[in-house]
Amino acid sequence: QQQVKQSPQSLIVQKGGISIINCAYENTAFDYFPWYQQFPGKGPALLIAIRPDVSEKKEGRFTISFNKSAKQFSLHIMDSQPGDSATYFCAAGLNFNKFYFGSGTKLNVKP
Amino acid sequence: GAVVSQHPSRVICKSGTSVKIECRSLDFQATTMFWYRQFPKQSLMLMATSNEGSKATYEQGVEKDKFLINHASLTLSTLTVTSAHPEDSSFYICSAPAQGRNEQFFGPGTRLTVL
Repeated sequence: QQQVKQSPQSLIVQKGGISIINCAYENTAFDYFPWYQQFPGKGPALLIAIRPDVSEKKEGRFTISFNKSAKQFSLHIMDSQPGDSATYFCAAGLNFNKFYFGSGTKLNVKP
Repeated sequence: GAVVSQHPSRVICKSGTSVKIECRSLDFQATTMFWYRQFPKQSLMLMATSNEGSKATYEQGVEKDKFLINHASLTLSTLTVTSAHPEDSSFYICSAPAQGRNEQFFGPGTRLTVL
C-alpha cells in the first residue's frame, strides 16, 4: 500500500522557471511532511518541511503549500537553476520518526 | 547540522556471503534509527526500525532473518544482509532522528552489489 503518492515522475523546466511537484497522502495521522533532494549516489538531504497546522512555508526559493482537507502538499521551486537538477522526494511521517516516501520526481533544469 | 555516517560506502560480495553495514550518528545520540532500501531510480522503502536496547521492528514483507539489525549503542546500528543474493543488490540508507532538533538525518548510503 503506497502511503504517499507523488507526481510527476519527471519534470523538465527552463532556467528561471517554476518547478512544481505534488504529493498526496492517505494517513491523516501523519504530522510531518518533509521534502528531500537527492543527487545520484548520495543520501537524501532535507530541503524544507512543514507541519499540518501551517498552510504554507517558504525558505528562499523553496515553498511548500499544504492542503490539509485535500491531504495534498506541493513543492514549488522558484527561479529554478541547473544546480537544482536532482531527484526530489516528498515524505510523510509521524513525530519525526519513520517516514514514508513518495516515488520521486527527477527534475532537469535546462540552461 | 547533525551528521550520520555509513560504512562502507560501497561493497561488492559473492552470492551466499553476509555483509555488515554500519550506521553511526556522529554528534548526537539516537535511540532509534531507520533502515531504507532504494533500488535504482526508485524511491526509498522503509525496511525496519532499529531500537537501542530492544529488537528491531520490521516492515511488512521484510525478512527479519535475512536482514539482521543490531542497535549496539546510542550511536551505532548495524544491518547485516545474510546469505546475500544478486536481488539484494541495492542502495541501503540509514537515518536517525535528532531529538530536540525535530529533524531526521540521513546517512550517505551504502551501495551493495552481490555478484
